[in-house]
Amino acid sequence: DTGVSQDPRHKITKRGQNVTFRCDPISEHNRLYWYRQTLGQGPEFLTYFQNEAQLEKSRLLSDRFSAERPKGSFSTLEIQRTEQGDSAMYLCASSPRVAGNTIYFGEGSWLTVV
Amino acid sequence: KQEVTQIPAALSVPEGENLVLNCSFTDSAIYNLQWFRQDPGKGLTSLLLIQSSQREQTSGRLNASLDKSSGRSTLYIAASQPGDSATYLCAVKSNAGNMLTFGGGTRLMVKP
Repeated sequence: DTGVSQDPRHKITKRGQNVTFRCDPISEHNRLYWYRQTLGQGPEFLTYFQNEAQLEKSRLLSDRFSAERPKGSFSTLEIQRTEQGDSAMYLCASSPRVAGNTIYFGEGSWLTVV
Repeated sequence: KQEVTQIPAALSVPEGENLVLNCSFTDSAIYNLQWFRQDPGKGLTSLLLIQSSQREQTSGRLNASLDKSSGRSTLYIAASQPGDSATYLCAVKSNAGNMLTFGGGTRLMVKP
């Protein structure tokens, strides 16, 4: 059990560019979540996968955001045409098959849009 | 819509003090509540998980209580240490959906 892994840890990009973040959950965790956190705030839910199915999406997830989990293992979060307001930490989390169990978070991917 | 509030937003105490962090939520139809710790620039570490049918959970110097009917939870930290300095976040999972709704956190500093 190596924990939830996220890559890259830091990304600086120019406004208008596309960025992609990767998340590797704890092995055998079938539930995967993406959250966004800005400075001084608690995390906000973006989307939820159960295996490869994306079952929930927040209204925060605009058309410029897309998330995938093609084989039910790792997941990617892509942001197209980045804006300065997208600057935040993007957190991935996973939890085991049994509902209501503890959720484990990764270290996050910091995005700065300049 | 579930809303979670944490008071105080920041707290500074001398080492050795016992302290209480507060969390309130607006919708009592919750599945569980979790307390997390977050160090600056890092991810979240789960501290305690309380199911909706439970009243409290304990881990070492930490004790979390849940009063679902009043929409409140408290995190009690006994004999605080400088290493406890971090932001503490509470999060609620409602009966509907799989998302966690987080409070804004309490930033704790324990001075030696």
